[in-house]
Amino acid sequence: QSALTQPRSVSGSPGQSVTISCTGTSSDVGGFHYVSWYQQHPGKAPKLMIFDVTKRPSGVPDRFSGSKSGNTASLTISGLQGEDEADYYCCSHPGTYVFGTGTKVTVL
Amino acid sequence: QVQLVESGGGVVQPGGSLRLSCAASGFTFSSYGMHWVRQAPGEGLEWVASVRYDGVTKFYADSVKGRFTISRDNSKKTVNLQMNSLRGEDTAVYYCAKDTYGDYSFDHWGQGILVSVSS
Repeated sequence: QSALTQPRSVSGSPGQSVTISCTGTSSDVGGFHYVSWYQQHPGKAPKLMIFDVTKRPSGVPDRFSGSKSGNTASLTISGLQGEDEADYYCCSHPGTYVFGTGTKVTVL
Repeated sequence: QVQLVESGGGVVQPGGSLRLSCAASGFTFSSYGMHWVRQAPGEGLEWVASVRYDGVTKFYADSVKGRFTISRDNSKKTVNLQMNSLRGEDTAVYYCAKDTYGDYSFDHWGQGILVSVSS
């Protein structure tokens, strides 16, 4: 199973919105409703931000939202804040698990 | 609250073995699938292995199949990863992670433990 494709980096100013794409195939992202997103700050463990494509665990701000169209899932961060600067990974579950390549979000 | 604490990491020579353990607390351990995910230095996340709640069904990434074995002890609330025939490319921080109930995602993670394969 090949890693899902994410942009290497995205950036935005405080208050702006950024969107991270996660592209797979019909055998993973496109074929299943099990896409999750993780935030990882340097030296820290990942944190679940979105599961089942669009659902937020309790405690995750509603600034974070997920969507999917065809073989591409997306994570949108609205009202960007300094603490959102981190690496983000998508993950699909087509039987086993496959992560995305990771995206560094920079708050300008 | 949910806690996952990994142990057993360290430095090992190529071809050697190491056993990681993850001690869980704060939830009904026997009801959840458990997983190991690793991250090589400066790299992204890579799923390694999963075991379902009952310890019977197990899944492995192709990169570790035949070399790593995942197991769990529901009475002790621990999940283990026996790693044999270790290679340089197995060098990584290994995270223990818990299933999100009724879903295929990881809602809690341990702090991670470093495994370094080097001569």
